[in-house]
Amino acid sequence: KNQVEQSPQSLIILEGKNCTLQCNYTVSPFSNLRWYKQDTGRGPVSLTIMTFSENTKSNGRYTATLDADTKQSSLHITASQLSDSASYICVVSAPRGGADGLTFGKGTHLIIQP
Amino acid sequence: DSGVTQTPKHLITATGQRVTLRCSPRSGDLSVYWYQQSLDQGLQFLIQYYNGEERAKGNILERFSAQQFPDLHSELNLSSLELGDSALYFCASSDQGSHLPNTEAFFGQGTRLTVV
Repeated sequence: KNQVEQSPQSLIILEGKNCTLQCNYTVSPFSNLRWYKQDTGRGPVSLTIMTFSENTKSNGRYTATLDADTKQSSLHITASQLSDSASYICVVSAPRGGADGLTFGKGTHLIIQP
Repeated sequence: DSGVTQTPKHLITATGQRVTLRCSPRSGDLSVYWYQQSLDQGLQFLIQYYNGEERAKGNILERFSAQQFPDLHSELNLSSLELGDSALYFCASSDQGSHLPNTEAFFGQGTRLTVV
């Protein structure tokens, strides 16, 4: 069964610090992987998308990495800000179309403290 | 603001009742996706419509149904509601027929449904 596991489930760090969120998946074959940021009470917003041939993708202070061999991805946040407090969701897609081609992680809840 | 509008923002109803959630996609977007997000399950894809026709189906219960109208807005109908149906329901839209995450899709702010 295709699965996406995210860790940690929650994380609290001080403003200005860096952090790394993990995503392990068993989806195979694999097409692409996306990280979303979801503020409390709002819809998810896409941060990065990577295909199986990409190792890294950056979006400002957010950098996602992908190791398709070990089926692992990470999202690194640099110099965290209070506005980074949110849930971060990893979504993995299989090449075929259809709803069963999407597997969502349950997210990491990140809290930035001043 | 993503440009996707969902109404109502909050909804409280009793078990056994039926509700309708509404979604207006971004101008020009032909695809509408519906998702359910509960605390212990994360985001669950329910169904996708593209230009008025059902395109993809996920873990949608038989008690739930959706449709997309000629003006491209969509409605999600939830009937015989149970306590476990309490969740956030999100709508997303995109300008392409293929589903997330192959395309860029934009999410609405969601409808919080509470079944009591």
